[in-house]
Order: sequence, then structure tokens, then C-alpha cells
Amino acid sequence: EVQLVESGGGLVQPGGSLRLSCAASGFTVSGSYMSWVRQPPGKGLEWLSVIYGGSYIDSADPVKGRFTISRDDSKNTLYLQMSGLRAEDTAVYYCVRDFNDYYFGYWGQGTLVTVSS
Amino acid sequence: DVQMTQSPSSVSAYVGDRVTITCRAGRGISTYLAWYQQKPGKAPKLLISGASSLQSGVPSRFSGSGSGTDFTLTISSLQPEDFATYYCHQAKSSPPTFGGGTKVEIK
Repeated sequence: EVQLVESGGGLVQPGGSLRLSCAASGFTVSGSYMSWVRQPPGKGLEWLSVIYGGSYIDSADPVKGRFTISRDDSKNTLYLQMSGLRAEDTAVYYCVRDFNDYYFGYWGQGTLVTVSS
Repeated sequence: DVQMTQSPSSVSAYVGDRVTITCRAGRGISTYLAWYQQKPGKAPKLLISGASSLQSGVPSRFSGSGSGTDFTLTISSLQPEDFATYYCHQAKSSPPTFGGGTKVEIK
């Protein structure tokens, strides 16, 4: 059974940094398209970044240069390193595995990041 | 970026009603479209991929259609567990983008 468990969210001051983790089980992250998607409170979904295979990484413009996706294959874990956080980054962050390469088939429960002073 | 426009943003319906949600892409995306259902406090759930392929375990009252720029999600007979917010998503080009969501509420 595919399971994704995020951790690392919390309250951070503007300009601060945070690293989110997503522990995967039931499959290998190295063989899947793994993404981060976020959802501000009461709002819609926004894709942030994807990692696949040996070197494919892509990110949305609003987070390029601030957020970095990575994974540790030995731990079967996905990460999102976030820096230069802003109030508008406040959201629930979901770790997502693909379905048939293109779609967001498996979602974690989400972790809330709140950026506030 | 491919803009995805969903309508309506909300709909009130009775149990047993037929509900149709539309999603329009800013440019042609073939059938690289998915629909998700999200209940309050929960992660989204993939319902339909490839515009019309129902995911395993999803009730047959859900159906999807369309190609190019215009797509629909239809719930043929609304059930109490279907009250939720629905999102479309284009997977044709990067960045993947979502519609703004349609909240289906009890009338």
C-alpha cells in the first residue's frame, strides 16, 4: 500500500527557513515522479516542484530560487527545503506521487506551514 | 502557463440530482486532464485521469468527458458523500495547473 507521511511544518518568521520531509512506503521514490503541492487556507491547489529519476527537477516560478526539492533514496524520503519564507507561503503542503506519470495519484495528509511574526 | 477556468465556483444541489462541472483550458491540452475530489480537512483524491478514465474504486456515477479545451465532470445522481470541492488539473505542459475549484453543497 502506498503511504506518504509529511512532517516538518510549523510556525516560522518571515525570511526564515524550514525543511519539509515526506516518508514514503509501499513504493520507491526514486522510480516515481514526486511533487510538492500546496494549498493556502481556504484557497485552491498550487503545484510547486517535481523530482524524477537521476536529475529531472522542475519548479514553479513563484518558488524558484527559494524552494529546493530533493530526495534521499536510502531513506525513501522526499524533501522540500524552503528559504526566504513569506506570509503568502502560508499553506498546507502536500507530498504527492504520480499516477501514470502525469497525474497526482497519491497524496500525503499534508503539513501546515505558517509564516508569521 | 495554461490557465484552467472552472465553473460554477459553487453549486447547491439535492441528493439524487445530476450535477455537471465544467473546466476550460486556456489552450488545447488534448485529454491530459484530471479531476480531484477534496473533502474538508483532507487531501485531494484523484477521481478521473485522461479526461474520462475512472480511477479504481470510484463510483460509476462519476464520469468525465471532453478534449482540447473543454471538459466536464458529471455526477449522475448526487449522494451525501459527494458533497465536497472538485478541482480540474491539466497535465499537458509544465507547470501543471489547477482550476479554482467547485464546491458542491447540500440544498
